[in-house]
Amino acid sequence: GQQLNQSPQSMFIQEGEDVSMNCTSSSIFNTWLWYKQDPGEGPVLLIALYKAGELTSNGRLTAQFGITRKDSFLNISASIPSDVGIYFCAGTGPYRVQGAQKLVFGQGTRLTINP
Amino acid sequence: GAGVSQSPRYKVAKRGQDVALRCDPISGHVSLFWYQQALGQGPEFLTYFQNEAQLDKSGLPSDRFFAERPEGSVSTLKIQRTQQEDSAVYLCASRSRVLPRQETQYFGPGTRLLVL
Repeated sequence: GQQLNQSPQSMFIQEGEDVSMNCTSSSIFNTWLWYKQDPGEGPVLLIALYKAGELTSNGRLTAQFGITRKDSFLNISASIPSDVGIYFCAGTGPYRVQGAQKLVFGQGTRLTINP
Repeated sequence: GAGVSQSPRYKVAKRGQDVALRCDPISGHVSLFWYQQALGQGPEFLTYFQNEAQLDKSGLPSDRFFAERPEGSVSTLKIQRTQQEDSAVYLCASRSRVLPRQETQYFGPGTRLLVL
């Protein structure tokens, strides 16, 4: 089945540093989504990408949908303490593929920030 | 309501007990999804509803898992004869459009199930 490989698995950075994480897939995705999950909560949507090559920003966050439709990255600039959490990439497959409606998730990137 | 709500937020069950988890999607959202999230992992798909129709249940791990959405709004995920491996966070998500160009799913806070 479809799988997403997300890296790095964890990051330990200083406050104010920039962060970069990425996801790759063995198959084509129609949509890439980036979520953040805090302890005891459900995933919260950060950025949604719908077209190959699309570059989208949300405040200090920037994400891109890879041209090959098999990868995406998320950058966080000037990190602050509230950025701590687990970041997940997720995607949906081509509409004609059975099961395309579901989201397939990466394993997550755990971000820790030293003040 | 403003978002997806789930209840209970926490559930402790004895092995062999039946449990029922409830999801209230965002009002008007046609599509509803259930995911299972093991500790330290990303969510994994269980099942998908479009209105009251269950269109994909390929992710349900066994016939002990059953989901329903009889009126196309609230959904219940039922687990019969719970086993320790069922311990996980169960997430519900909803989406507004039937055949979307935009696949954005909005998640509830989850139900944390612990089977002893």
